[in-house]
Amino acid sequence: GQNFDQPTEMTATEGAIVQINCTYQTSGFNGLFWYQQHAGEAPTFLSYNVLDGLEEKGRFSSFLSRSKGYSYLLLKELQMKDSASYLCAVNSGNTPLVFGKGTRLSVIA
Amino acid sequence: KAGVTQTPRYLIKTRGQQVTLSCSPISGHRSVSWYQQTPGQGLQFLFEYFSETQRNKGNFPGRFSGRQFSNSRSEMNVSTLELGDSALYLCASSLERGLTEAFFGQGTRLTVV
Repeated sequence: GQNFDQPTEMTATEGAIVQINCTYQTSGFNGLFWYQQHAGEAPTFLSYNVLDGLEEKGRFSSFLSRSKGYSYLLLKELQMKDSASYLCAVNSGNTPLVFGKGTRLSVIA
Repeated sequence: KAGVTQTPRYLIKTRGQQVTLSCSPISGHRSVSWYQQTPGQGLQFLFEYFSETQRNKGNFPGRFSGRQFSNSRSEMNVSTLELGDSALYLCASSLERGLTEAFFGQGTRLTVV
């Protein structure tokens, strides 16, 4: 089976840095994805990690530790438009993505 | 290029009715997956289609079914609707199966009354 653990909600201040954690237990693992979903909109791809370590993409970075079943998404220089849900998802080979329940981030002034 | 298109965007149905939702993937994408999203459960996998064949199925009752056509367009059908089927139904398309990025459509918001 697949199990995920993400905080349900987080609040952070504009301009600050926030780290959203995701721990997972899956029957297989090929890669971990992060998606952003604004309220009422479709999820959009942010990043993915296949190997351990940090992947940086502008203001967003994602880290993976396969041995610990752990990933985090780091958002720097937070902007109001970053208020959204952030979903981690695992790919286990020839299976579709399995998603965690997501973390709702509120960015306040 | 055009994104993933889902129709209709909104739908209201009565308990016991059936509904068909449509998804047109990005041109050239052959894999289509369907998800149900509710506030309490998050994104739950329904089924995956590739080359007109169902490749994976999630833990949903047989009232939920789907198919994929030769042009990769996909439909999902829910029969004998229940109140609990009210949700956002999202379709995601990928170039191939496996470790490739999935692109989501805007979804169909189904309300069962």
